[in-house]
Amino acid sequence: EAQVTQNPRYLITVTGKKLTVTCSQNMNHEYMSWYRQDPGLGLRQIYYSMNVEVTDKGDVPEGYKVSRKEKRNFPLILESPSPNQTSLYFCASTGLRGAYNEQFFGPGTRLTVL
Amino acid sequence: GQQLNQSPQSMFIQEGEDVSMNCTSSSIFNTWLWYKQDPGEGPVLLIALYKAGELTSNGRLTAQFGITRKDSFLNISASIPSDVGIYFCAGQQTPYGGATNKLIFGTGTLLAVQP
Repeated sequence: EAQVTQNPRYLITVTGKKLTVTCSQNMNHEYMSWYRQDPGLGLRQIYYSMNVEVTDKGDVPEGYKVSRKEKRNFPLILESPSPNQTSLYFCASTGLRGAYNEQFFGPGTRLTVL
Repeated sequence: GQQLNQSPQSMFIQEGEDVSMNCTSSSIFNTWLWYKQDPGEGPVLLIALYKAGELTSNGRLTAQFGITRKDSFLNISASIPSDVGIYFCAGQQTPYGGATNKLIFGTGTLLAVQP
């Protein structure tokens, strides 16, 4: 089954404690991205990756890092989380559906930073 | 970062009613997309629109790509309880000379359907 998986689904942590949210896709897609969803703001792109070893900032990259060492994995790293990073995070993978691209979203990771 | 203006923010309706929501932007988009997010899940694509003026249906859902390329609307006819969720519009711009998959999302419309 074609899918995007994220782990963990829920995480409560404390300020300053480094964490990583993993993302994996089994569709051999080149383009992957991370979004955060906040009430009243919709989804905002944090980082994206066009291919292995190619990453770039989205609209809200501050406080986040990513890496793309393999095509299937695109982890999101918070080196020193702060309370304003409490949010719902989605990983997405983009590939062709028919003649057009479609973004497939993971199930989300709800992060709370105390 | 850029965001799309989506309205209404929320709707509370009776089962069987029709629903309409829209998205506007100050920028032109080449693609308009409508997603639905169920509680505890990621957004799932409902309808994709690729040409200005295009009207596309998917079951009880109908969406249109505005002629100016700066707006889009989504209609849901004869709503049912499983239509509950958050609906997002998203626009995509393809810059000249290259391709990008970046989506700009609207702020979402929360739909509640009373049985």
